[in-house]
Amino acid sequence: NAGVTQTPKFQVLKTGQSMTLQCAQDMNHEYMSWYRQDPGMGLRLIHYSVGAGITDQGEVPNGYNVSRSTTEDFPLRLLSAAPSQTSVYFCASSYRQVGYGYTFGSGTRLTVV
Amino acid sequence: GEDVEQSLFLSVREGDSSVINCTYTDSSSTYLYWYKQEPGAGLQLLTYIFSNMDMKQDQRLTVLLNKKDKHLSLRIADTQTGDSAIYFCAPMDTGRRALTFGSGTRLQVQP
Repeated sequence: NAGVTQTPKFQVLKTGQSMTLQCAQDMNHEYMSWYRQDPGMGLRLIHYSVGAGITDQGEVPNGYNVSRSTTEDFPLRLLSAAPSQTSVYFCASSYRQVGYGYTFGSGTRLTVV
Repeated sequence: GEDVEQSLFLSVREGDSSVINCTYTDSSSTYLYWYKQEPGAGLQLLTYIFSNMDMKQDQRLTVLLNKKDKHLSLRIADTQTGDSAIYFCAPMDTGRRALTFGSGTRLQVQP
């Protein structure tokens, strides 16, 4: 089924560990983004990409890295996990043309202990 | 940056209409979206409105935009228990093509 696939769905990390959250889309979307959602809050933008090889920072980029080597994949790397990074992470993608909304993945629930 | 405000909670009875309100600060937002999030799930795009429109109707959903007051509303007609969810208003920053989200409105539909 076409859509945005995120793995893993759940993850527990110890403080200081690193890991990569995977995101893949099969809709040939040019634009991809990572958001985090904390309890009682809306989603906040971490990093985004307007095409392969191009990434930029959002509102809350500290502690995270991204790369976009292909159109399909947009992994999010946590360099040294901290309890403040406990959150639900959503990946989203969209066509280049303005007017198309973003399609969201089902999320990765991350707990840092 | 953009700020988006929504009321946190709305309770209605099944069959009634629901109106979810949103205010935003960036007048340059050209597209404004409504998303629905069910428990434990991702966000589902419901509808959107372009900034040069006042109203858009899509089946049971009606979006009203008052650009002067930067006020957006989503009306759900004949609300059903399956409509119970969190609803997010999300204006788009056209330059970054990024969405800014409010904290969401939890809609509870009572039978």
